[in-house]
Amino acid sequence: GAGVSQSPRYKVAKRGQDVALRCDPISGHVSLFWYQQALGQGPEFLTYFQNEAQLDKSGLPSDRFFAERPEGSVSTLKIQRTQQEDSAVYLCASSLVDEQYFGPGTRLTVT
Amino acid sequence: GENVEQHPSTLSVQEGDSAVIKCTYSDSASNYFPWYKQELGKRPQLIIDIRSNVGEKKDQRIAVTLNKTAKHFSLHITETQPEDSAVYFCAASKGGGGNKLTFGTGTQLKVEL
Repeated sequence: GAGVSQSPRYKVAKRGQDVALRCDPISGHVSLFWYQQALGQGPEFLTYFQNEAQLDKSGLPSDRFFAERPEGSVSTLKIQRTQQEDSAVYLCASSLVDEQYFGPGTRLTVT
Repeated sequence: GENVEQHPSTLSVQEGDSAVIKCTYSDSASNYFPWYKQELGKRPQLIIDIRSNVGEKKDQRIAVTLNKTAKHFSLHITETQPEDSAVYFCAASKGGGGNKLTFGTGTQLKVEL
């Protein structure tokens, strides 16, 4: 069946621009997670949704980061006024219970 | 919060040999431990997981062991093949759905011919 998909796969933004990253989870998966993966590092948790409710946003690095999942399916991670330190791969994962399945990620480069 | 340490950071083995990657975790409330394989530029792929009520789990050439008392868990790959070359990440969570994964720093495994 279809896995988790993300778009765009690559995004180049000039410093100060806003970006929006999209995640399409596996159909029927209640839980959706966003992670940030810096080069050569493991993914780090950003935020978690159960259906449309954002239950944990403790990993968001600043108030420039905002996520939503208004209908409990597709999610968007928005970064305002991008900075160079935001350059990373942004991974989305969905799950029914414990197993989390990842999308291919969006590689964001801020120049 | 949870802290996961992973060793070694790089591992080179000959084809056909075994490879072992070790992780430790800090939070005794963690009870779900997945392992992911990530090839360059690709998504992390779940390859095996173990829950705290089990000490060992095996799937073909891959096995995972868990020592809850010592807060250690390990990935064992036997009869390694070139296609096993990738970065492997261990992770820990409190399980039960909706619990974030805390990842280790990764092990670059290279299987040489």
